[in-house]
Amino acid sequence: RKEVEQDPGPFNVPEGATVAFNCTYSNSASQSFFWYRQDCRKEPKLLMSVYSSGNEDGRFTAQLNRASQYISLLIRDSKLSDSATYLCVVRTGFQKLVFGTGTRLLVSP
Amino acid sequence: DAMVIQNPRYQVTQFGKPVTLSCSQTLNHNVMYWYQQKSSQAPKLLFHYYDKDFNNEADTPDNFQSRRPNTSFCFLDIRSPGLGDAAMYLCATSRDRGETYEQYFGPGTRLTVT
Repeated sequence: RKEVEQDPGPFNVPEGATVAFNCTYSNSASQSFFWYRQDCRKEPKLLMSVYSSGNEDGRFTAQLNRASQYISLLIRDSKLSDSATYLCVVRTGFQKLVFGTGTRLLVSP
Repeated sequence: DAMVIQNPRYQVTQFGKPVTLSCSQTLNHNVMYWYQQKSSQAPKLLFHYYDKDFNNEADTPDNFQSRRPNTSFCFLDIRSPGLGDAAMYLCATSRDRGETYEQYFGPGTRLTVT
């Protein structure tokens, strides 16, 4: 079983739609959680950290469920510019991050 | 702007010919990482430096080495590149500040092996 699992997609949604991604992790001792965004042939960029209480940044909302070991990302009012791969990332040990393979989002006009 | 810089952005090398990739940072972060990412795969951690302490991943081939001469610079040396080493190599940095350990990536070096 992979340490971090994501549905690879792609998720095809129209502009303005709401879309949600889930991610599961296997190590119950995982300590920090993140969503990164990666555009084609570019580097991953930190989208947001995920806190236990959940957090929101504009159109983006992240939730953490430690009991079920999953993390979610909700994107409201999707824009064309949101098209990218979204990487779920988990800190499993001191200074070590484990990346999921990503979920691809395609937003169409 | 504070940032992570990688040079070159594109590198072509011949099978078996040593190659060095470089990374520099102006963030003054004490931790630096090297990842390998192949198409449609997750970034795979090769090793990291915590200050001057080198931490190798168990499954990183001996063909890959690294140097960190000072806080700002880190190098990835591939001693004898094989065709399977063609990938994007990403450098990242973080600051050990006890909570989130967010990592910031450079733009990557895309390595082609001919």
